[in-house]
Amino acid sequence: GESVGLHLPTLSVQEGDNSIINCAYSNSASDYFIWYKQESGKGPQFIIDIRSNMDKRQGQRVTVLLNKTVKHLSLQIAATQPGDSAVYFCAENDYKLSFGAGTTVTVRA
Amino acid sequence: DTAVSQTPKYLVTQMGNDKSIKCEQNLGHDTMYWYKQDSKKFLKIMFSYNNKELIINETVPNRFSPKSPDKAHLNLHINSLELGDSAVYFCASSRTSGSTGELFFGEGSRLTVL
Repeated sequence: GESVGLHLPTLSVQEGDNSIINCAYSNSASDYFIWYKQESGKGPQFIIDIRSNMDKRQGQRVTVLLNKTVKHLSLQIAATQPGDSAVYFCAENDYKLSFGAGTTVTVRA
Repeated sequence: DTAVSQTPKYLVTQMGNDKSIKCEQNLGHDTMYWYKQDSKKFLKIMFSYNNKELIINETVPNRFSPKSPDKAHLNLHINSLELGDSAVYFCASSRTSGSTGELFFGEGSRLTVL
């Protein structure tokens, strides 16, 4: 089976609140992780990445946290907006990029 | 200018037919991929080519045959289509085939087998 998965298949968030999307991975040899966003009818788009020698990385309104001890990855979105509604995937890379099943985020107005 | 473009976007066909999906990238990348996304949104890698050479071939039926005429193109031909082949197929590219680096995805080709 696939080595990367997400804890929850769906997440409903009030507009303006912060979102946290979780992901567990199983391959301790993975050294690079990426979060992707997929809007309806489109291909996945890169959000943010992190290498295994880091435990936190920040982008614009997004933060990725990596806990190698428990093999856990999370994506935090600050001040969630309607445009953040999408499916979010974490992916890990050893020799290939493996994706989890995705979390569907719905933003409530 | 679309970075990774796939055609067709939609494909509806009968079981047993043969069909092809084409992919082109204008990013100058060395590596291209095909991913399959099922109805539950699960994305699974099928193939990867680096400079026209096959480097990843996951457990995919041999009815699926990728072809890379040059490093900017990666086509997917599927023989004897089955109901279970219905999915969205995504082409992607990356600068290198190394263990780090962002993948750029196309918009997907939705295949429906009746």
